[in-house]
Amino acid sequence: KAGVTQTPRYLIKTRGQQVTLSCSPISGHRSVSWYQQTPGQGLQFLFEYFSETQRNKGNFPGRFSGRQFSNSRSEMNVSTLELGDSALYLCASSLVPESSYNSPLHFGNGTRLTVT
Amino acid sequence: AQSVTQLGSHVSVSEGALVLLRCNYSSSVPPYLFWYVQYPNQGLQLLLKYTTGATLVKGINGFEAEFKKSETSFHLTKPSAHMSDAAEYFCAVRDLMDTGRRALTFGSGTRLQVQP
Repeated sequence: KAGVTQTPRYLIKTRGQQVTLSCSPISGHRSVSWYQQTPGQGLQFLFEYFSETQRNKGNFPGRFSGRQFSNSRSEMNVSTLELGDSALYLCASSLVPESSYNSPLHFGNGTRLTVT
Repeated sequence: AQSVTQLGSHVSVSEGALVLLRCNYSSSVPPYLFWYVQYPNQGLQLLLKYTTGATLVKGINGFEAEFKKSETSFHLTKPSAHMSDAAEYFCAVRDLMDTGRRALTFGSGTRLQVQP
């Protein structure tokens, strides 16, 4: 069974630009969550999607948005990029929503975004 | 809201020695606890998850974690370290957010170094 696939693996963007990251969950998984990982802040929850609906959202500005398609694939968009948005963005999928307490997350290898 | 604290950002052991990575959670309700491992340039891999009622939880790669409610701890151990165990380890808890829904909240991580 293929794991969570994130594309692209690396991205370099300039301040002020926007970027779209893609995530394909494990086959059969309907819940997709996004995390930002930085050396200073660690791993922070961005948002979770299930059945094309945003179920949960972390404490990030509105420049960060996402969506989920009918095939459970998800995209994350960051507009008006800032230097501080440089990070590893991780996507994770699970069978059921993350709100199901014991449901483990399966992570992709991430997209490393560098903003210059 | 719950949180997790990982004591020691760096731990160094010799190959064959005991590995002990510490995690304490802050909550009075039954926790939903996980340990993840991250190898360089990769995403997070689930090592194990707490199961209600258990005190010792076995995971992959010979790791296990002991749940101690009286100490609010969920420390990760491995009897004999292997060079391939060198990685960063994250303790996580399913935390209740301001949205009223739960999301996985991670500790700051412990980087394990294994000396030959």
